[in-house]
Amino acid sequence: GAGVSQSPSNKVTEKGKDVELRCDPISGHTALYWYRQSLGQGLEFLIYFQGNSAPDKSGLPSDRFSAERTGGSVSTLTIQRTQQEDSAVYLCASSPRAQIGNEQFFGPGTRLTVL
Amino acid sequence: TQLLEQSPQFLSIQEGENLTVYCNSSSVFSSLQWYRQEPGEGPVLLVTVVTGGEVKKLKRLTFQFGDARKDSSLHITAAQPGDTGLYLCAGITGTASKLTFGTGTRLQVTL
Repeated sequence: GAGVSQSPSNKVTEKGKDVELRCDPISGHTALYWYRQSLGQGLEFLIYFQGNSAPDKSGLPSDRFSAERTGGSVSTLTIQRTQQEDSAVYLCASSPRAQIGNEQFFGPGTRLTVL
Repeated sequence: TQLLEQSPQFLSIQEGENLTVYCNSSSVFSSLQWYRQEPGEGPVLLVTVVTGGEVKKLKRLTFQFGDARKDSSLHITAAQPGDTGLYLCAGITGTASKLTFGTGTRLQVTL
């Protein structure tokens, strides 16, 4: 079956430009998460969507970061006026529902490089 | 801010050796998960531990959750090259299953 997919797999942009990263979760999964991973280290939580509830944006590092989830499925993470410190791998995960102990299924990530 | 510190950060061992990875925090978690991540891929769940003191075994991997639910360990017996990867612990609090990831342990097993 299809897992979580993300696009593009790699993105190189210039400082100051806007970028959009896309996540297609596993069909039927109501919970969707975005994480950021720098230099092969641990993941940093960014934002979480659960069904039609208001998203938990508590992990977004600045107001340059935003995300939306249309129709309860596809999600887009937008970074405006990119900075070099935004360079990282951005990972998306989905889960059948937000329940303690539920497995999160991760996509392969988008590697963002800001020059 | 909840932090999960993992040790060691890097570990290079030969096939057949045993190893233990530690995951420590000053915070209490309702449950804790261990993931393994290979280059170019997302993390994949290995195990979830829920009860303080719980021990779970997955073939050659043994996971333990501390009595106070603040720490955990992963022990690998007779490591194999296929065990190579980045091991991440992740703590769960509240009801939203929002994960707080550890700093990661990069394991390399050579022949």
